[in-house]
Amino acid sequence: GQNIDQPTEMTATEGAIVQINCTYQTSGFNGLFWYQQHAGEAPTFLSYNVLDGLEEKGRFSSFLSRSKGYSYLLLKELQMKDSASYLCAVRPLQPDGNNRLAFGKGNQVVVIP
Amino acid sequence: GAVVSQHPSWVICKSGTSVKIECRSLDFQATTMFWYRQFPKQSLMLMATSNEGSKATYEQGVEKDKFLINHASLTLSTLTVTSAHPEDSSFYICSARGQGAADTQYFGPGTRLTVL
Repeated sequence: GQNIDQPTEMTATEGAIVQINCTYQTSGFNGLFWYQQHAGEAPTFLSYNVLDGLEEKGRFSSFLSRSKGYSYLLLKELQMKDSASYLCAVRPLQPDGNNRLAFGKGNQVVVIP
Repeated sequence: GAVVSQHPSWVICKSGTSVKIECRSLDFQATTMFWYRQFPKQSLMLMATSNEGSKATYEQGVEKDKFLINHASLTLSTLTVTSAHPEDSSFYICSARGQGAADTQYFGPGTRLTVL
């Protein structure tokens, strides 16, 4: 089975940098995804890591360490619109090749002026 | 690219009725689609995996006779909640598996179901 752990909530100031952590345990590993979800809306894709290291995409970066079962999402130059829940999702290896994702509970980021 | 639509976006129904939710991949073909349910302040819970032209694979604890899934084409999957009850009220979200190395799942906008 899979176990994905994320802290629940954090508050940060506009313009600041926030790091959201995710630890996981999974039977086989085939990628880790970060999604952003605004209240009442569906998740939107942010980033994908399958190899160790840092992936940078504009103001958002994501890091992966497979040996430690650990990832983080870094949000730079925070904007008010970044207030949302950030979901970590792990894709375990699956014999049927369906590529299901196992989601963490999400970390709620509240950006204040 | 990679746009997924859902219809309806919200629905209110009486207890005992059935509700059908459609999920469409608009600009790509999706051999695999996924149906999730999300209760307030909870994580996304996978209900079933839908493969085009074959029977859906349901997660443990999800009743296949209550949540009927049909994936008749490469761009359309439907979820029918049969004999809905108030406890079925939730946010139902579909996703479609994209193509490429990452095989990213792209989500539809969700359907909020309220059963009275």
